[in-house]
Amino acid sequence: AQSVTQLGSHVSVSEGALVLLRCNYSSSVPPYLFWYVQYPNQGLQLLLKYTTGATLVKGINGFEAEFKKSETSFHLTKPSAHMSDAAEYFCAVSGTGGSYIPTFGRGTSLIVHP
Amino acid sequence: DTAVSQTPKYLVTQMGNDKSIKCEQNLGHDTMYWYKQDSKKFLKIMFSYNNKELIINETVPNRFSPKSPDKAHLNLHINSLELGDSAVYFCASSTRPHEQYFGPGTRLTVT
Repeated sequence: AQSVTQLGSHVSVSEGALVLLRCNYSSSVPPYLFWYVQYPNQGLQLLLKYTTGATLVKGINGFEAEFKKSETSFHLTKPSAHMSDAAEYFCAVSGTGGSYIPTFGRGTSLIVHP
Repeated sequence: DTAVSQTPKYLVTQMGNDKSIKCEQNLGHDTMYWYKQDSKKFLKIMFSYNNKELIINETVPNRFSPKSPDKAHLNLHINSLELGDSAVYFCASSTRPHEQYFGPGTRLTVT
């Protein structure tokens, strides 16, 4: 079975600082990996995804993530946080073990201080 | 055009009632989903459905049932509502196993 662990339910950064949100997954085969963002009172929207090919993936709003198979990780980063980045972030995995049902992490709330 | 839409956005009802939430997608996707998000933002998949198979999360009470009149619609029926059903419910669609497109959510409050 696939699973996703997001380390830290809350991450707090200052505006302009580096953002690092951690995601580790368990899978016996290369998975499809996703990061979604949820702004208050909205649905989730895709930030970026990894399917195959280049392991460094760039997404919207300046975010990027790197698939590291040896570490089973897919951490999300952004060089400089903006106040508008404050939101809930979800890591998700699918496509492993013949299952196309996605598994989501528990989410990380990003807090950005002025 | 909205890709995935849900109605209503807010739903307030009393315990014991039966209610439905409607979902429509205009993306041509073959699979639709229902999720429940609790007050701690935890996202739990309830159903995955396409015209060939329905996959039910075994932890979902049988008071919840998906109904799909056609490929673009997946409605959620809930019978005998309980206080613990209060949550935000999201519909989503995808061409699996790829990314999901989520609706704006329906906030259900059971009193």
